[in-house]
Amino acid sequence: NAGVTQTPKFQVLKTGQSMTLQCAQDMNHEYMSWYRQDPGMGLRLIHYSVGAGITDQGEVPNGYNVSRSTTEDFPLRLLSAAPSQTSVYFCASAWERGGNEQYFGPGTRLTVT
Amino acid sequence: AQSVTQLDSHVSVSEGTPVLLRCNYSSSYSPSLFWYVQHPNKGLQLLLKYTSAATLVKGINGFEAEFKKSETSFHLTKPSAHMSDAAEYFCVVRRRMGTDSWGKLQFGAGTQVVVTP
Repeated sequence: NAGVTQTPKFQVLKTGQSMTLQCAQDMNHEYMSWYRQDPGMGLRLIHYSVGAGITDQGEVPNGYNVSRSTTEDFPLRLLSAAPSQTSVYFCASAWERGGNEQYFGPGTRLTVT
Repeated sequence: AQSVTQLDSHVSVSEGTPVLLRCNYSSSYSPSLFWYVQHPNKGLQLLLKYTSAATLVKGINGFEAEFKKSETSFHLTKPSAHMSDAAEYFCVVRRRMGTDSWGKLQFGAGTQVVVTP
């Protein structure tokens, strides 16, 4: 199993550009989520999904969209990038209800200039 | 409401000496608690978890944590630090919202551990 994979690893955007961060898992996990990590703030939940076709907002959803058309994939879309979205983004997935253990991808480091 | 507070943003220890990382939580019900570790430029790895079974939880790489309900703490310890323990550590509480049985993770701000020879 590859686990949770994320692409790209690094990305630089100009203000106003849009892009999609890809996340895929091959563990047949129901639960998937996106976090952003900023210095001194830990990880904050952006959006999550409890199954194909079901998504919901986390703590910091503004400026981001998600969809879940398959169990495996959970892309995160930045609609119009802003410098405040400069961060490291992590995708995670979990199998059992309750999400007792989430498996994290390696992260995408995004810089918006 | 739930929150988690890591009491030290940086901890420096000598190799071979004990490590203590402090975490306090607030929760209106019995929580699930976790410690994750993040090595430089890597993703997060689960060290250990507490889910209302034994209050002393053993994890990987010699780490353990004790759940103390009366003190609302979940401190992480290791008897003898190794150079490979240099990393950032996150205390995490699983947060439920309404009828959401899945719960979402709420992270502390992190503790950076430096290990000196």
